[in-house]
Amino acid sequence: AQSVSQHNHHVILSEAASLELGCNYSYGGTVNLFWYVQYPGQHLQLLLKYFSGDPLVKGIKGFEAEFIKSKFSFNLRKPSVQWSDTAEYFCALRDYGQNFVFGPGTRLSVLP
Amino acid sequence: DTEVTQTPKHLVMGMTNKKSLKCEQHMGHRAMYWYKQKAKKPPELMFVYSYEKLSINESVPSRFSPECPNSSLLNLHLHALQPEDSALYLCASSQESGSEQYFGPGTRLTVT
Repeated sequence: AQSVSQHNHHVILSEAASLELGCNYSYGGTVNLFWYVQYPGQHLQLLLKYFSGDPLVKGIKGFEAEFIKSKFSFNLRKPSVQWSDTAEYFCALRDYGQNFVFGPGTRLSVLP
Repeated sequence: DTEVTQTPKHLVMGMTNKKSLKCEQHMGHRAMYWYKQKAKKPPELMFVYSYEKLSINESVPSRFSPECPNSSLLNLHLHALQPEDSALYLCASSQESGSEQYFGPGTRLTVT
């Protein structure tokens, strides 16, 4: 069965630091990949998605992610984080059996 | 209208009660989903409706009964729940099954 893993349970950064959150998946076929964010007290919001084409995808709020097929990875990056980026980040995949699976999440705390 | 709305926001019910959660979207999406999210955990897929037909049921107990009366509405009927069913229940919709999902704010359910 397909699965999604996220390397870090909790990441703590200072403002202006660079961010990279790891995401790996296990599935042998074609996948669609997503990053969602859940700000405290708010609902899940799509940050970015990869379906096909350019493996470097740009999302909202200055986030980007790179799909590396050979590594089964889809890491999320941001060059300079802000306090307002404090949130829970979920990587997710959808396979062609229409199954949609979330990773366990990474909590990001940005210190002012 | 780019929102998914859910009612009620909070629900407290006893183990012998019958209640329903409601979800609505007016984005013309043809796929709708129910997820369960426990604290500090990722959302877990429960049901998927595609073109008003149940396409995925992730081995959810029969005390949860979904219903899709039309393409804009999704209900989750609850009966004889257990305290361990207490969680945030999230509704989502997408253009088609497999495209990016838009989430509602959730219903916080407490079973006493």
